[in-house]
Amino acid sequence: QSALTQEASVSGTVGQKVTLSCTGNSNNIGSYAVGWYQQISHGAPKTVMFGNSLPSGIPDRFSGSKSGTTASLTISGLQPEDEADYYCSTWDYSLSAHVFGGGTKLTVL
Amino acid sequence: EVQLVESGGGLVKPGGSLRLSCAASGFTFSSYSMNWVRQAPGKGLEWVSSISSSSSYIYYADSVKGRFTISRDNAKNSLYLQMNSLRAEDTAVYYCARVVNTAMVVDYWGQGTLVTVSS
Repeated sequence: QSALTQEASVSGTVGQKVTLSCTGNSNNIGSYAVGWYQQISHGAPKTVMFGNSLPSGIPDRFSGSKSGTTASLTISGLQPEDEADYYCSTWDYSLSAHVFGGGTKLTVL
Repeated sequence: EVQLVESGGGLVKPGGSLRLSCAASGFTFSSYSMNWVRQAPGKGLEWVSSISSSSSYIYYADSVKGRFTISRDNAKNSLYLQMNSLRAEDTAVYYCARVVNTAMVVDYWGQGTLVTVSS
């Protein structure tokens, strides 16, 4: 059971906008920035968003937001290369631990 | 360019030990907290341990507490994970990751090193 809850799977067509969610509580998402990580075919993860910051080299079709204890990653203009597993994570001060979501498998139809 | 290169993985018997290393370059290593994160075959990402820039703060996941030890050598730009009393469930790819100081999340990842615990 992951500390953060993500959809198991999400799908979209090329060009569509999709939103992935990550739900936690006041001890984690409600208090800290959230990171989003893309993993293609079980290769090394790549950070696509941390807090409200887009890492260099990541297309600006990726954006992040947070409302209360839920964070969201939005991909506008979905591309075939966006098909991957996406994980969210943050710090949890009550656990003194980094916590991850279980991951969302994004399929581009 | 930020680079994190893990080494030290391999096949080890249950109860055995292994020491992982992570060589960092392209940034001021001594200014950043670092994490170890692992991924078991077919599973999701799991945080293992964190160490602050000066080693003042160290944290472990419950699953490895008392068996694993994280450390760093800022003079050598290196991060380590000493793993003792290894179990089959420790089998995973282990990633070294840099933490964004202001955000407590990861911004850069290494390529990973595979640890297999099997008799």
